[in-house]
Amino acid sequence: QSALTQPPSVSGSPGQSVTISCTGTSSDVGSYNRVSWYQQPPGTAPKLMIYEVSNRPSGVPDRFSGSKSGNTASLTISGLQAEDEADYYCSSYTSSGTYVVFGGGTKLTVL
Amino acid sequence: QVQLQESGPGLVNPWETLSLTCTVSGGSMNSYYWGWIRQPPGRGLEWIAYIYYRGSTDYNPSLKTRVTISVDTSKNQFSLKLRSVTAADTAVYYCARLPPTVTMGSAFDIWGQGTMVTVSS
Repeated sequence: QSALTQPPSVSGSPGQSVTISCTGTSSDVGSYNRVSWYQQPPGTAPKLMIYEVSNRPSGVPDRFSGSKSGNTASLTISGLQAEDEADYYCSSYTSSGTYVVFGGGTKLTVL
Repeated sequence: QVQLQESGPGLVNPWETLSLTCTVSGGSMNSYYWGWIRQPPGRGLEWIAYIYYRGSTDYNPSLKTRVTISVDTSKNQFSLKLRSVTAADTAVYYCARLPPTVTMGSAFDIWGQGTMVTVSS
């Protein structure tokens, strides 16, 4: 069982928006703005999409945005495109012993 | 255009030691942390360890007794050793770059393509 909780799957049609949640505790998401999001298309390595809750690395489209409220972080993808279909993982710094914890992953299907 | 490439055996016998190396190309290892993350088939990601270019380390407590991470900046490489492996250690192993916290929080910004390691006799 993963330390951060994500929904197993979400879906949306092209052009729509989807939001993926990531729920942790006061030892990780709730206390630190060190939440990251990764995109992993099938058979490929994870790619950093969001760091420090809401910052995008260079080259990541502004359709991807992140936010946080309490113990829950969220990734929103607007203007959904077929190429966005992938697994998405959140991670957070944690004070509970291990450096970072990951969510179990969410499979995004573009209908 | 920093790139990372994992190398090592794809098959390891049970109770033996898994050894992997990550080669960093296109940039210096200086000023960065370097980490290992693994992903069992069909499952999520698990952080294993990281090392600073100067040699300080941190390990996942669940693996700490079996893991050693090391760095050789003269070769632009860092390595992972996981002892006494079992089938539960079968996974894709990724190496990744970890910028200083003040730069990107705790995000791994560049990843290798990953290498599948199967533990089986």
